[in-house]
Amino acid sequence: DAKTTQPPSMDCAEGRAANLPCNHSTISGNEYVYWYRQIHSQGPQYIIHGLKNNETNEMASLIITEDRKSSTLILPHATLRDTAVYYCIVRGYNFGNEKLTFGTGTRLTIIP
Amino acid sequence: DTEVTQTPKHLVMGMTNKKSLKCEQHMGHRAMYWYKQKAKKPPELMFVYSYEKLSINESVPSRFSPECPNSSLLNLHLHALQPEDSALYLCASSHWNTEAFFGQGTRLTVV
Repeated sequence: DAKTTQPPSMDCAEGRAANLPCNHSTISGNEYVYWYRQIHSQGPQYIIHGLKNNETNEMASLIITEDRKSSTLILPHATLRDTAVYYCIVRGYNFGNEKLTFGTGTRLTIIP
Repeated sequence: DTEVTQTPKHLVMGMTNKKSLKCEQHMGHRAMYWYKQKAKKPPELMFVYSYEKLSINESVPSRFSPECPNSSLLNLHLHALQPEDSALYLCASSHWNTEAFFGQGTRLTVV
């Protein structure tokens, strides 16, 4: 019952911006968009989340379309250490909606 | 401190053994999670505890038994597992409206 759709894989040249798309056309008004990544055999790492405004932190930027049906995670200057599987997840913010359900994600490979 | 600590890191157990996985956090989070991850697959939610009470059980077989003794600890008791239960078991914690932090997981092998 994954609510998000992501491309299975992407490549990006080292030093360039990596743009990872996500479709979440059934998102509801009380759901955030979260992004996590998982480097091989490690626990998932939180990257960023947002509700409807664009967000930026030290790791990435998150661009959410005005209708909230899709978003893009931007890694501004990709490095080899950014090679990982990236998961886009929608999650409610009300008590009782703590469920965090992973979809199949995008395997991002940074090319030297 | 944004760390979720899982022990042990690796575990090999026989199908007749009883073992436990442990998870600890000191961030004051009141939601705690167990996930199972098979190779090349996304993490699959198993259980969610909210305020130390089991709130979600994703139809997990009874050979997996979760326990939340207090707000900082989460255990997963294992009994009579099968080889197909071999996987990476991940623990996470969060406030109910913020990001979840994950541990590094326990790599379980059932022989």
